[in-house]
Amino acid sequence: KNQVEQSPQSLIILEGKNCTLQCNYTVSPFSNLRWYKQDTGRGPVSLTIMTFSENTKSNGRYTATLDADTKQSSLHITASQLSDSASYICVVSHGAGNNRKLIWGLGTSLAVNP
Amino acid sequence: DVKVTQSSRYLVKRTGEKVFLECVQDMDHENMFWYRQDPGLGLRLIYFSYDVKMKEKGDIPEGYSVSREKKERFSLILESASTNQTSMYLCASSTSPGDYTFGSGTRLTVV
Repeated sequence: KNQVEQSPQSLIILEGKNCTLQCNYTVSPFSNLRWYKQDTGRGPVSLTIMTFSENTKSNGRYTATLDADTKQSSLHITASQLSDSASYICVVSHGAGNNRKLIWGLGTSLAVNP
Repeated sequence: DVKVTQSSRYLVKRTGEKVFLECVQDMDHENMFWYRQDPGLGLRLIYFSYDVKMKEKGDIPEGYSVSREKKERFSLILESASTNQTSMYLCASSTSPGDYTFGSGTRLTVV
């Protein structure tokens, strides 16, 4: 069964600290993996996309990694800010052409406290 | 700045009412999607459209219909609203799978 599991479900950190969010998937055939940030009451916004051949990709203080062998991805946030408080959702695309589908994780809720 | 605009941020409707949720994108995207998002269930695909006047059922289409008369507009219709349709509704558009631009969402409450 195609699944995307994220951990932890929720996380609280202090401003300025680093954190890492995990995404494990059992999706085949794999096409790509994206991380989205969703502020409370808003729609998700794409942070980064990882394809099969990419191991690491950065977007400012956000760094995503992908291990296609173990089917794991992580999102590392450096020097957290209060504005990083949000839900972070991992989504995996599988299949090809008209059969391509998205499998969404349930997200990790991050709270950054002063 | 590219945008997906959902007509309402908050809606309160009565059980049995017909409800229209409107979504407009200004990016000339072919693909448009309607999701609902509920705590513990994540995003679930209701309907999508790859072209004008074209629609495909997603994973949970029951109780919903859609309309795409123009490329930029994708409407979600609740024929007879029920309390279990209380949810956050998210519209998205894209040119490639997974590369979505989302609207801000409509929080619908059915009483």
